[in-house]
Amino acid sequence: AQSVTQLGSHVSVSEGALVLLRCNYSSSVPPYLFWYVQYPNQGLQLLLKYTSAATLVKGINGFEAEFKKSETSFHLTKPSAHMSDAAEYFCAVSLENQGGKLIFGQGTELSVKP
Amino acid sequence: DSGVTQTPKHLITATGQRVTLRCSPRSGDLSVYWYQQSLDQGLQFLIQYYNGEERAKGNILERFSAQQFPDLHSELNLSSLELGDSALYFCASSVVSYNEQFFGPGTRLTVL
Repeated sequence: AQSVTQLGSHVSVSEGALVLLRCNYSSSVPPYLFWYVQYPNQGLQLLLKYTSAATLVKGINGFEAEFKKSETSFHLTKPSAHMSDAAEYFCAVSLENQGGKLIFGQGTELSVKP
Repeated sequence: DSGVTQTPKHLITATGQRVTLRCSPRSGDLSVYWYQQSLDQGLQFLIQYYNGEERAKGNILERFSAQQFPDLHSELNLSSLELGDSALYFCASSVVSYNEQFFGPGTRLTVL
């Protein structure tokens, strides 16, 4: 069965520092991969998606993620953190043979220190 | 604003009661998904509808049911509510399956 693991339930960085949020997936078939962000008391907003085109995917707000099949990873990065990036981030996988439902990781809460 | 609307925003009810959550997808989206977010279970897929037909089911309890109407809006019905049903319920929509899903703001259900 497919699954998603996000390493670190809480990550804290200083403003201006590199953001790295880790996501590993397990799947027997090529997956579609997504990163979503959830701000307090809001719904989920799509940051970026991988759907078997370019392995380096650029998203909104300066975020990007690289699909590495050999490592079954899809880590999210941003070169320079802003205070407004503080939120919860979810990695998700979707399989073509399962109707498109999203299977989410447990989430990583990002804190940004001034 | 994702274009997906959900009502009500908050719902407080008692154990044993029944509630209905409503979702209107983005204009043009045929697929509707329901998810439950709770502290202990995280984000869990419940059920998917595509153009009025049930397409996939997740870990949805038998006390829960859903439907998608001809105008593509969807309702999630939760009955015989228990304290453990307290959670945030999200609806998401996409043009077709496998595309990115756009999430509504959610309905926060509190069962007392």
